Parts: sequence; structure tokens; C-alpha cells
Amino acid sequence: DAKTTQPPSMDCAEGRAANLPCNHSTISGNEYVYWYRQIHSQGPQYIIHGLKNNETNEMASLIITEDRKSSTLILPHATLRDTAVYYCIVRVYNTDKLIFGTGTRLQVFP
Amino acid sequence: ETGVTQTPRHLVMGMTNKKSLKCEQHLGHNAMYWYKQSAKKPLELMFVYSLEERVENNSVPSRFSPECPNSSHLFLHLHTLQPEDSALYLCASSQFDSRESEKLFFGSGTQLSVL
Repeated sequence: DAKTTQPPSMDCAEGRAANLPCNHSTISGNEYVYWYRQIHSQGPQYIIHGLKNNETNEMASLIITEDRKSSTLILPHATLRDTAVYYCIVRVYNTDKLIFGTGTRLQVFP
Repeated sequence: ETGVTQTPRHLVMGMTNKKSLKCEQHLGHNAMYWYKQSAKKPLELMFVYSLEERVENNSVPSRFSPECPNSSHLFLHLHTLQPEDSALYLCASSQFDSRESEKLFFGSGTQLSVL
């Protein structure tokens, strides 16, 4: 089981912020939330990860709720090249494998 | 360029053929992975190698045989495949036993078609 729930698809206008939600209501206290994306015909690409605090890097920001049951990935200024499937993943405790779900297909339009 | 190279990019094979997929990583990582991605399905973890030893085998049929001769190379040997094995096969690497061990770097994959 993927342990996360994401909407199957979202649209976003170019230049606007894309906010991708993820529900992980059964997350354990020491499990991290990871985000990857997969552009068509390519392998998944790491974006960001976090445990409790909000995180930001050159690609995106990750907002995790205080109860850690959900999170939001924010692409502050979406471009056409951000069109991809975005995966929210919770690391399985005490293993090193990532379990991918079905993700959210983000379509950025001009 | 992710530092993980897979060859070939595309492969068409008959059910009686034997072929191999190759993966090479130039990142100095010590763990490598095979994932399978069928059309409209999530990625499925097939095999994990850590320090050249297989640590994960997710009930993959024996017609798929992995090989990890060293920490930089990973192979997936294929024989007597079925049409339902047609999929994108992705290789990934990471640095095991580090704070970012789940930060996987993926190759572009091999698109396999079994006729």
C-alpha cells in the first residue's frame, strides 16, 4: 500500500503557484514525506522531503500540517516544464524502499 | 543527466528470447534498484541491492534475474517473458545508510515490448 492519497489530476496556469495536496493520515512519527515527479518518458526526479518542519529548496516548498496527516507541495511559479506526475511518498519505517502511489498529474497551461 | 545511465532505451523481444538490461551509475552510490512501471500503474519495486548484495526481492517471477557485479553496475537478465511483462523498467541508485538514503536518482528507463 502506498499510504498516501493524492488527487488524480490538477491544472495550473503558467506563472501561478501550483499547490499539490497529499493525505497521509496513518503516518508514523518518524516517517518522512518525500515528493518526486516524473516527466513523461523519464525516470522520477527527487524534489524535496521533510519530517515535521516546512522545507524549501530551489525547486519547491513543502508544507506539513502540525498533526503531520497531510502536506502540500508548492511550486511557486509553475512553468510548462513542470507538467508531470507528482508523487507523494511516505517512507516505510526501518526500510530503505520507497513505495510509489498513482500520483497527481499536473498540467500547466499557457 | 541524473548520473544513472540505462541501456538500451527501447527493446523489443519475443517470448523465447533472452536479453539483458544494463544500468550504470556514476554517483558513487552503494545501493541500486530495479523498478517496473506498467502502463497506467504505479511504479513497482522489483529488486534492491545494497553493497552488491540483494536485500529485497518483491516476489518477482524467476524469468527476471538481477545481477550486481559491483556497486556501479546493475543488470536485469530476461528470459521467456510474457506479453504482460511489457513495461518501462527503471534503474535507480542511492547512498545507503545515509540521512538521505531514500533520495533516489533514476535513469531514463528501458521501454520493453514483449511480442
